[in-house]
Amino acid sequence: KNQVEQSPQSLIILEGKNCTLQCNYTVSPFSNLRWYKQDTGRGPVSLTIMTFSENTKSNGRYTATLDADTKQSSLHITASQLSDSASYICVVSDYGGSQGNLIFGKGTKLSVKP
Amino acid sequence: GAGVSQSPSNKVTEKGKDVELRCDPISGHTALYWYRQRLGQGLEFLIYFQGNSAPDKSGLPSDRFSAERTGESVSTLTIQRTQQEDSAVYLCASSLAAQTLNTEAFFGQGTRLTVV
Repeated sequence: KNQVEQSPQSLIILEGKNCTLQCNYTVSPFSNLRWYKQDTGRGPVSLTIMTFSENTKSNGRYTATLDADTKQSSLHITASQLSDSASYICVVSDYGGSQGNLIFGKGTKLSVKP
Repeated sequence: GAGVSQSPSNKVTEKGKDVELRCDPISGHTALYWYRQRLGQGLEFLIYFQGNSAPDKSGLPSDRFSAERTGESVSTLTIQRTQQEDSAVYLCASSLAAQTLNTEAFFGQGTRLTVV
C-alpha cells in the first residue's frame, strides 16, 4: 500500500534555531516528492518539489533532501522564525494515477517560540 | 483567476440538510482535487478530476457525497443529508495536469463546514 509517514508529529523549537523534519514513503512507482507548508486556517502552499534524480533543493531558509534509494526525505529549516510556525506536509506522487497522483503524509506541526 | 477560489469560505448547516461547495480552479488547469481536513488532522483524499472526468472516486466516504465538474473548470462537491461527522475544512486544489512530472498543485483556502 502506498504510504507517506512523517516524523515527528509535532515539534517545538526556539526562534533562531534549526530543525529537521522527516518523511519516509513506500510509494511506487515514484514520480516526485513535494513539501508543503500549511498555516493555520489556510490552504497548503508548495515549498519544494523534487524528482528522483534530485538530491537536494532549497527555497530560502528551507532545504529539502531526497534519497530515492532509501525512500526518505527531509526538510531542514535554518534560523527559524516565528512565521515558520505551521504544519509541514510531505506529498509523494505515484506516477500511475492513484488518488490523482498525490499521496499525503499527515504532517508535522512546528511551533516556533520566542 | 489568479488562484484557486473556493466558496463559501464558511458554511454552517443543520444536520440533515444538503450543502454545495464550489471550487474555481486556476484557468487552464485540467486536474482538480478535493480533500477533507478534520480539525488537527491531515488531508484526506476525496476525489480528483482530469478534465470533466473523475478517474478516482475512491475517497468519497459515502454515497451522500458526490462531485461534478463542468467545462473543465468549476467543480461542486455536494453533501446530502449532512451529519455532524461531516464537519471539516474541505480543500480544493488544481494543477496543469495529473500524472506528469513536476506538476505543482495549488490549493484554495478551503470551505469550513460546520454541521449543527
